[in-house]
Amino acid sequence: QSALTQPRSVSGSPGQSVTISCTGTSSDVGNYDFVSWYQQHPGKVPKLMIYAVRNRPSGVPDRFSGSKSGNTASLTISGLQAEDEADYYCSSHVGTYTLVFGGGTKLTVL
Amino acid sequence: EVQLVESGGGFVQPGRSLRLSCAASGFTLDDYSMHWVRQAPGKGLEWVSGISWNSATIGYADSVKGRFTISRDNARNSLYLQMNSLRGEDTALYFCAKRGSYYDLTNWGQGTLVTVSS
Repeated sequence: QSALTQPRSVSGSPGQSVTISCTGTSSDVGNYDFVSWYQQHPGKVPKLMIYAVRNRPSGVPDRFSGSKSGNTASLTISGLQAEDEADYYCSSHVGTYTLVFGGGTKLTVL
Repeated sequence: EVQLVESGGGFVQPGRSLRLSCAASGFTLDDYSMHWVRQAPGKGLEWVSGISWNSATIGYADSVKGRFTISRDNARNSLYLQMNSLRGEDTALYFCAKRGSYYDLTNWGQGTLVTVSS
């Protein structure tokens, strides 16, 4: 159950696009289309942004999109806004009732 | 409205035990799998444990296997985490979360803080 690998930080200016990667192995990200992404503002509860690799829950702006290639999943945020500044975590199903998270990525909107 | 309210956290010495509870409302608990996730101060999210709707299937992180036990009482709309042999590295905010259909965690509680220290 090794944590998924995410960049510690990314940044972008308002209106730009940023992509956060999430690298696992053939036992987790590469083996299941059950990758989720969560946004967490400081002192707040994590919020589900993407499920099943590329699906957005109701209420999540379509500026947020997800994809996967091999053992790496990605979250892309287009048209960056100030309120997007937060920590982002990926997670993947690993096995029977087992999940693993990434280490988290701090997004800074310049 | 889905609500998850954790309780039972506190300050405990290493080696001691603590039992966390999560009260669920706004949905039918026995329709869903449930999970515990923790976050150490200033650190990232760490998955702890998950349990199927009927308690038939359970999973644990390697870091807590053999020390923590997850359980649920659907009649009481409650999820539990029994934590034994606590260590300093178990210090964290513990969240309970409702699982969706795709191993996503759709709803989270506010968390309960566990501090393990002598």
